[in-house]
Amino acid sequence: DTGVSQNPRHKITKRGQNVTFRCDPISEHNRLYWYRQTLGQGPEFLTYFQNEAQLEKSRLLSDRFSAERPKGSFSTLEIQRTEQGDSAMYLCASRPRQGEKVLDEQYFGPGTRLTVT
Amino acid sequence: DQQVKQNSPSLSVQEGRISILNCDYTNSMFDYFLWYKKYPAEGPTFLISISSIKDKNEDGRFTVFLNKSAKHLSLHIVPSQPGDSAVYFCAAYPNFGNEKLTFGTGTRLTIIP
Repeated sequence: DTGVSQNPRHKITKRGQNVTFRCDPISEHNRLYWYRQTLGQGPEFLTYFQNEAQLEKSRLLSDRFSAERPKGSFSTLEIQRTEQGDSAMYLCASRPRQGEKVLDEQYFGPGTRLTVT
Repeated sequence: DQQVKQNSPSLSVQEGRISILNCDYTNSMFDYFLWYKKYPAEGPTFLISISSIKDKNEDGRFTVFLNKSAKHLSLHIVPSQPGDSAVYFCAAYPNFGNEKLTFGTGTRLTIIP
């Protein structure tokens, strides 16, 4: 399977705990994105990496959220001191190096569903 | 502020008929529009896209129409098949080369056999 993979697929945690999610993009894709999707809504952009550089962050990404992509391959998203409002599906997407086709689609992983109790 | 709107949360269509999903946007800087399809427990899958310089793009059973003056686009699926039952999201890129996709709230399409 050469698609975007995310682990774990499901995470249940108690309020106040820290959680970390992992995303492995398609191997030749240098651009990586994190989105959050809540019930009844579409995915909302959180942050974007080009190689290991985090180039854009949404206002949605509070101080409790941190994302890394240390070697420009996989990425992690950590949420500290989780709150019930953090319960959502966290989606990762990747995109190939910008070439002739400047505007192209993003390829999404299956997501990690977080439930904070 | 919802910049991409899908006002129909759900739509049911008979198998073999045409499905029409609608999307409106408010940001005139949007340059490129995409439709994604999502099955339960899976991530969104790209379906079809259209650039703002075009008013129609066709790929097999799927056609997307763009009306820039009305800030409206639609996805036509014909003929509809049971496997088309999914949630469909409209999404847009603002400006040339921008990285952030802005999604609508989705329309759940059910194809009735």
